[in-house]
Amino acid sequence: AQSVTQLGSHVSVSEGALVLLRCNYSSSVPPYLFWYVQYPNQGLQLLLKYTTGATLVKGINGFEAEFKKSETSFHLTKPSAHMSDAAEYFCAVRGNRGSTLGRLYFGRGTQLTVWP
Amino acid sequence: DAGITQSPRHKVTETGTPVTLRCHQTENHRYMYWYRQDPGHGLRLIHYSYGVKDTDKGEVSDGYSVSRSKTEDFLLTLESATSSQTSVYFCAISGDSEQFFGPGTRLTVL
Repeated sequence: AQSVTQLGSHVSVSEGALVLLRCNYSSSVPPYLFWYVQYPNQGLQLLLKYTTGATLVKGINGFEAEFKKSETSFHLTKPSAHMSDAAEYFCAVRGNRGSTLGRLYFGRGTQLTVWP
Repeated sequence: DAGITQSPRHKVTETGTPVTLRCHQTENHRYMYWYRQDPGHGLRLIHYSYGVKDTDKGEVSDGYSVSRSKTEDFLLTLESATSSQTSVYFCAISGDSEQFFGPGTRLTVL
């Protein structure tokens, strides 16, 4: 079965510092992986996705993530945090067989705080 | 942005009353989903639909039912609302690989 673990429910960084949000997944076959961002009182917005091909994927707002099969990880990074990055971030893996095909399995989320 | 709307956006109701939430899409996507979001739990799938009149249960389906009589509309019904169903409900539609989310409905059951 597919599952996602996000390490750290809260991450705080200073403006300009590196952002690193951790995600590990469980999947029996090559996964499709996603990062979503949720700003207060809004729905989820896709940041980036990995399906096939290049393992380093770039998304919106300067974020990127690297798929590492050997580590079953898909960590999200941004070189320099901005105040506007403060939000909740969700990692998700897509179901890949039978009744789970197409379904997304979400981690519990990481709340990012950016200090001035 | 994908064309997904949810109604109502906010609702307060009393325990034991029926509640129906509506999700409407203009993208003609086959797959539609209902999630609930609760602090510390992320998003959990309630029900989903893979076509008109074709639906299936997710991981937290107890106390909920759904219907899809048209491609564009997916309804979520709480037959008899309970306080444990106080939550934020999100509808999503599925594109080629990712899902696109609606703005959410905040439901409070008193």
